[in-house]
Amino acid sequence: DAGITQSPRHKVTETGTPVTLRCHQTENHRYMYWYRQDPGHGLRLIHYSYGVKDTDKGEVSDGYSVSRSKTEDFLLTLESATSSQTSVYFCAISAGGGEGSKQFFGPGTRLTVL
Amino acid sequence: AQKITQTQPGMFVQEKEAVTLDCTYDTSDQSYGLFWYKQPSSGEMIFLIYQGSYDEQNATEGRYSLNFQKARKSANLVISASQLGDSAMYFCALDSNDYKLSFGAGTTVTVRA
Repeated sequence: DAGITQSPRHKVTETGTPVTLRCHQTENHRYMYWYRQDPGHGLRLIHYSYGVKDTDKGEVSDGYSVSRSKTEDFLLTLESATSSQTSVYFCAISAGGGEGSKQFFGPGTRLTVL
Repeated sequence: AQKITQTQPGMFVQEKEAVTLDCTYDTSDQSYGLFWYKQPSSGEMIFLIYQGSYDEQNATEGRYSLNFQKARKSANLVISASQLGDSAMYFCALDSNDYKLSFGAGTTVTVRA
C-alpha cells in the first residue's frame, strides 16, 4: 500500500472556525491532490500540487487554500468553515505520466461543520 | 464541465456472474488515460485498472477488464465471476494528460449470493 496518511481522520467543528487537514506521504511522489467527496458528485478536485511550493486550483477551490513546504506534506486549510464544507476529504498522490498518473488515495477525513 | 458520465447509479448482480459498468468520457485531447477505482463501504479508494488512449489492447487485471471503444469514447469496466467482496461503489476517471483526474458520479454494485 502507498504510504499516505491523513490527519485528523474525523473532525467536528463550528461554522466560522479555521480548519487544517494534513496529508503526509512517504513515497516521494511529485504530485499531491485534495478532493472532496459528496453524494451524487463522485470526487471533485479542490487543489493540487506539482512540487514544493507549486500549487494550483481545482474545480471547487473557493473557500480553501493549500500549502506544500515539503515534498511529503500537503496541507488543506478552510479559513472559515461553512456547513457546505461538510464532506469527506481525500488526499491523493501520483508519480505522474501515463499509467504513472494513477493516483493513490489516503484513508480520508470526515469533516462535519455545525 | 463534467467529463465523465456513469449512467448507472446502482446495479445488482448474481454471484459468479459478470457485470459491465458503463463509462463515457469527453475530451479533445489525443493523449489521455482512463482509470477505474473501487470504493468499498469502508471508504478507501482502490485503484483497479488503467487504459491509455494509445493502448491498442484492452487492459486486463485479473477479473477486471476494460472494454475501451475509442471512437465511442467509452471505457466500460467488466467484472467477471462476481464475488460478494465486489459489492462497492465504482468510479471511472479521466486524466486529460494534465495529471488531474475527473471522476464520474459512480455506480454502486451489489452482489447477491
